[in-house]
Amino acid sequence: DVKVTQSSRYLVKRTGEKVFLECVQDMDHENMFWYRQDPGLGLRLIYFSYDVKMKEKGDIPEGYSVSREKKERFSLILESASTNQTSMYLCASSLPKSGFYNEQFFGPGTRLTVL
Amino acid sequence: GIQVEQSPPDLILQEGANSTLRCNFSDSVNNLQWFHQNPWGQLINLFYIPSGTKQNGRLSATTVATERYSLLYISSSQTTDSGVYFCAVVDNTDKLIFGTGTRLQVFP
Repeated sequence: DVKVTQSSRYLVKRTGEKVFLECVQDMDHENMFWYRQDPGLGLRLIYFSYDVKMKEKGDIPEGYSVSREKKERFSLILESASTNQTSMYLCASSLPKSGFYNEQFFGPGTRLTVL
Repeated sequence: GIQVEQSPPDLILQEGANSTLRCNFSDSVNNLQWFHQNPWGQLINLFYIPSGTKQNGRLSATTVATERYSLLYISSSQTTDSGVYFCAVVDNTDKLIFGTGTRLQVFP
């Protein structure tokens, strides 16, 4: 069974704190993604990674950074959390498109509240 | 970029009813996925269906890639089917482009 796990289901942080969201997949997938989901705005891509130590900006990277030191782990970092980063964060992974089978699998999500 | 539109935006059903959800996309795609987002926010994979028809229990999906649409059928709906249904397609940079979603509520 495919599995993507995220470090926390719920997280409450204060403005200005550094926040780490961790994502781990056990499917040996090359691609990993971070999205945020907000009411009325749908899912928006923050960052993605095609391989270890590689990262690409998505549609809304401002205020975020990422780290991929190992293939199975992709971390999202909020350097200085702000209230407008209160959101649902979803991690996903997939095989690369070159195989023409690149179904994305999602983790359970982390609901982050920044006070 | 690719546009993905879903209809209807909202659907209210009584338990036992059947329904059809539609997904239109603006360009040719190599893959298409249907997801169910449950009330806790988890996105559950329903179908990976770039073309053709697949069935899984009470759910089935059909994608007609040449005409740029996909349909999700839910038969004999149950209250546990409630949630938001998304279709999503992959663009040429491996990014998943989500549709606007259909919110389904099933009442007993």
